[in-house]
Amino acid sequence: DVKVTQSSRYLVKRTGEKVFLECVQDMDHENMFWYRQDPGLGLRLIYFSYDVKMKEKGDIPEGYSVSREKKERFSLILESASTNQTSMYLCASSLGLAGGPGELFFGEGSRLTVL
Amino acid sequence: GESVGLHLPTLSVQEGDNSIINCAYSNSASDYFIWYKQESGKGPQFIIDIRSNMDKRQGQRVTVLLNKTVKHLSLQIAATQPGDSAVYFCADSSGGYQKVTFGTGTKLQVIP
Repeated sequence: DVKVTQSSRYLVKRTGEKVFLECVQDMDHENMFWYRQDPGLGLRLIYFSYDVKMKEKGDIPEGYSVSREKKERFSLILESASTNQTSMYLCASSLGLAGGPGELFFGEGSRLTVL
Repeated sequence: GESVGLHLPTLSVQEGDNSIINCAYSNSASDYFIWYKQESGKGPQFIIDIRSNMDKRQGQRVTVLLNKTVKHLSLQIAATQPGDSAVYFCADSSGGYQKVTFGTGTKLQVIP
C-alpha cells in the first residue's frame, strides 16, 4: 500500500514564526501536492511538484514556499506564519500518467493553529 | 476563474436507499474527473474516476455519470450503508496536466 506520511498531526505556532510541514511518500511517485482544507472551501491547491527540484504554483501560493530536494519528500514552508494560515494541510502524491495525474494518495493531514 | 463545485452541501439518506451526489464543473477543457471520500479525521481516499471519452463508469456499489453537455458529474452509491457517511469531493484535471482541482464537498449522512 502507498503510504504518505505527514510529520506532525497537530502544530501550534505563533504569528511570525517560520513553519515547516514535512511529507514523505514511499511509492516512488513523480507528483506531490500540498493542499489546505477549510470548512466550506474544500481543498485548495497551494503548490505541486512533478519532479525533484521542480515546483508549480497552485491556486493559493501566497505566503507559502516548497522544497523538493528528494523524490520522496515534499516540504511546505510558511516563512512568517499568520493567523489566516490556521488550517488543515494535506499532502498527496500520485504516480503521474501521460493522460493526467491519476489517483492521489493523501496523508492524514497536519492541523496548524497560528496564534 | 474556473472552478469545480457541488450543488448541495449536505445530503441525508436512509440506510439501504441509493444516494446521488452531484457536481458541476466550469472548465470546458476538463477531461479527467475523480471522486474522493473523506472520513472524519482522515485524508481523502480515491473512489472512482472517469475520462471525458466516457459517459458512465461503474465500480463496486458506485457509479459515476458524466454529462459533458451540461458540465455535470454525479456519483451514485447503491444501497447506502452507515460506513458511507463521509464528505465526498469531486475533482478534475485537464489536458494531461498534473494539477488537480477539488470542489467544496458534500457531506453524506446515512440515517440508520
